Amino acid sequence: SQQGEEDPQALSIQEGENATMNCSYKTSINNLQWYRQNSGRGLVHLILIRSNEREKHSGRLRVTLDTSKKSSSLLITASRAADTASYFCATDVEYGNKLVFGAGTILRVKS
Amino acid sequence: GAGVSQSPRYKVAKRGQDVALRCDPISGHVSLFWYQQALGQGPEFLTYFQNEAQLDKSGLPSDRFFAERPEGSVSTLKIQRTQQEDSAVYLCASSSTGYEKLFFGSGTQLSVL
Repeated sequence: SQQGEEDPQALSIQEGENATMNCSYKTSINNLQWYRQNSGRGLVHLILIRSNEREKHSGRLRVTLDTSKKSSSLLITASRAADTASYFCATDVEYGNKLVFGAGTILRVKS
Repeated sequence: GAGVSQSPRYKVAKRGQDVALRCDPISGHVSLFWYQQALGQGPEFLTYFQNEAQLDKSGLPSDRFFAERPEGSVSTLKIQRTQQEDSAVYLCASSSTGYEKLFFGSGTQLSVL
């Protein structure tokens, strides 16, 4: 079973627009990570936010974390066609040895 | 190359056949993970190694699945008596920091006919 659930399942936007994806999870965590996967490829790490952080930025990416609601959001600003991919949130299970992924959001950026 | 390498890239097996999937992690990475990804789904955890020790194998779906990392570097995932439901992409990932910032290979796409 998967810990996280992303919302929406799919998102289609025009180049230059912002894209927001949400992730909800079930148990206490130490950190939450976001990964990108291009079609037919492995996952690429984008950003990590720790449980004691509320917001983090990296280039055009902005991640927020609300541990009281067990949710996170990923914002991609000024999207490009190259951002077209699937995006997954992943959480470490507290006291566990695993990183658990959600089902992902498919993002399509139209040029 | 400096990335995680998996082989073969594609594997077609007849039902009942045994298969072995190989993962070469990034040199020096202590942690190694195997995931199974069904079409349109997120990766599902299979097992975790720290060096040669298999610390968590709770995700292995049945006793037909076996993973090893005997010298703490290369890992092999073996599936015995493959079944159609084993068809998926098998992803390997390594990390120098436990389960923070995993580096993934491109995966092995297994099709069981």
